[in-house]
Amino acid sequence: EAGVAQSPRYKIIEKRQSVAFWCNPISGHATLYWYQQILGQGPKLLIQFQNNGVVDDSQLPKDRFSAERLKGVDSTLKIQPAKLEDSAVYLCASSFAASGNEQFFGPGTRLTVL
Amino acid sequence: AQKVTQAQTEISVVEKEDVTLDCVYETRDTTYYLFWYKQPPSGELVFLIRRNSFDEQNEISGRYSWNFQKSTSSFNFTITASQVVDSAVYFCALSGPNFGNEKLTFGTGTRLTIIP
Repeated sequence: EAGVAQSPRYKIIEKRQSVAFWCNPISGHATLYWYQQILGQGPKLLIQFQNNGVVDDSQLPKDRFSAERLKGVDSTLKIQPAKLEDSAVYLCASSFAASGNEQFFGPGTRLTVL
Repeated sequence: AQKVTQAQTEISVVEKEDVTLDCVYETRDTTYYLFWYKQPPSGELVFLIRRNSFDEQNEISGRYSWNFQKSTSSFNFTITASQVVDSAVYFCALSGPNFGNEKLTFGTGTRLTIIP
């Protein structure tokens, strides 16, 4: 079974530029999560989707971050414009949309904002 | 609000020594789940164990063991006879009763280095 796929693995941009990350969850997983992991910290949830609907985006900085999951499968997270403090690893995770199922994590995208 | 505290930022031990990673949590839920994840240098989070709040039995899996004590809100992780491959960052995490459909709250992690 293929795992959660993410691309790119690494990205370096200048501040005020835009960037987008892509995630393809495990086949059949209706729930998709984006976490932000700043160096030296644990992952923090940015947004949770169930199919193509948003379940929780309370910690998403909506003035610069956006995410979509139009067909309920893969998802894109965008930052526009990026700030220095956005430098982090962005992790995507997925799970079956039912209680009792684990979250499986992708390898992450490491973003460096200069 | 949920909170997970991992007070040990970094630990180094010599290979074959035993090591315990501490985790203390806070939650208002009566039903909740606790997790441990391993993050090797490759960056991917690897699931190690899940425990629900009603099961306080200790668990052992090979060289790994977990001690859940509800009275002290702790869920500690012990590696016996450590190996170099155990070097990684370890995260303790917490979720509410609907863990398949809600976020995980992570601690700040403990970086474990096993010295050959």
